[in-house]
Amino acid sequence: AQKVTQAQTEISVVEKEDVTLDCVYETRDTTYYLFWYKQPPSGELVFLIRRNSFDEQNEISGRYSWNFQKSTSSFNFTITASQVVDSAVYFCALSLTGFQKLVFGTGTRLLVSP
Amino acid sequence: AAGVIQSPRHLIKEKRETATLKCYPIPRHDTVYWYQQGPGQDPQFLISFYEKMQSDKGSIPDRFSAQQFSDYHSELNMSSLELGDSALYFCASSLSRVQMNTEAFFGQGTRLTVV
Repeated sequence: AQKVTQAQTEISVVEKEDVTLDCVYETRDTTYYLFWYKQPPSGELVFLIRRNSFDEQNEISGRYSWNFQKSTSSFNFTITASQVVDSAVYFCALSLTGFQKLVFGTGTRLLVSP
Repeated sequence: AAGVIQSPRHLIKEKRETATLKCYPIPRHDTVYWYQQGPGQDPQFLISFYEKMQSDKGSIPDRFSAQQFSDYHSELNMSSLELGDSALYFCASSLSRVQMNTEAFFGQGTRLTVV
């Protein structure tokens, strides 16, 4: 069975601080996909990134960066110079080969104060 | 660009009533997924359809049923509603044809409140 763990329930930072959200996953499959979604207070789920298990290259998109390490089964997400608009719940998720159901972590609530 | 459309956005029902949630996937997407997100919880997979056939099933109660129609829209029918069914229900769609694997795009959700 697949499992995603986000140990950080809530993180509070002050604007312009960097923050890293941790994600640890479990699966016995060798091919899988990892995702990050953002859920702002309005409730919608916003797709941020998808990474397959064969691509360990880190990715940077503006202030967002992701660090994928298969050796530690982690897919961490860093926000650089956080902004108030980054305040949301962030979910890490996993799916197996071919798009199947997503297994979500319990989410990390990020609060960015001015 | 067209997104996944869910209707209604908000729904209030009484216990033991029936509710129908609708989902209109992104054009040309062939796969629809339903998720339930309780208050303060992560989304839980309910059921999915590929080309109008049920492709996977999660923790969907027997009181719930769903189908995908010929125009690819999907409906989630919920009967004998209970207070615990109050949640945000997401629909997502993706293009899952042979050898393709893309991310799922989520609708804005339907917030169901059972009173």
